[in-house]
Amino acid sequence: GDSVTQMEGPVTLSEEACLTINCTYTATGYPSLFWYVQYPGEGLQLLLKATKADDKGSNKGFEATYRKETTSFHLEKGSVQVSDSAVYFCALSESGSGNTGKLIFGQGTTLQVKP
Amino acid sequence: EAEVAQSPRYKITEKSQAVAFWCDPISGHATLYWYRQILGQGPELLVQFQDESVVDDSQLPKDRFSAERLKGVDSTLKIQPAELGDSAMYLCASSLTGRNEKLFFGSGTQLSVL
Repeated sequence: GDSVTQMEGPVTLSEEACLTINCTYTATGYPSLFWYVQYPGEGLQLLLKATKADDKGSNKGFEATYRKETTSFHLEKGSVQVSDSAVYFCALSESGSGNTGKLIFGQGTTLQVKP
Repeated sequence: EAEVAQSPRYKITEKSQAVAFWCDPISGHATLYWYRQILGQGPELLVQFQDESVVDDSQLPKDRFSAERLKGVDSTLKIQPAELGDSAMYLCASSLTGRNEKLFFGSGTQLSVL
């Protein structure tokens, strides 16, 4: 079945460092891809999404590009802040007739940013 | 911004007891999801409703778990009897139509089974 694999965490960075969190997926069709973020004590929030190959999702300085050839959707940010400390989840949802909105999540990557 | 409400926030119970969780989605959202998140893992779908109908419950352990959304609005997830392995965060989410769109998540119910 469909699946999502994320890089192992935790990732610890100093403020203003560059961030990359790797995400690869396995899917039979052409899924939509998402990054969700979970701040301490809160529910998951949508960070960005991309619905087709070569689309770039962006929000709050974060970006991710849908790469069909490498089945990847890596999350990047040029300069992280302490407030970005959270758990980041990569997810996919099936396309076409199989699309029920159901999300399949990766295991999550914890990011800790130190001042 | 409207939020998905869940209660209780925390629940501690003993093995073999019954527990229930409640979720109130954003008003007007037709699709409601229950996810289970085990510590260190990503959320996994337990059950999905479209209005009051179950769309997907393939991962719901039906011998002990049940879910209902009688009037197509709020929903209850029940576990009876609870087992040690049920300790997890139970997340509720909703979306407007359920077709490839943003899901709104509640803050979850943290269940500990002793």
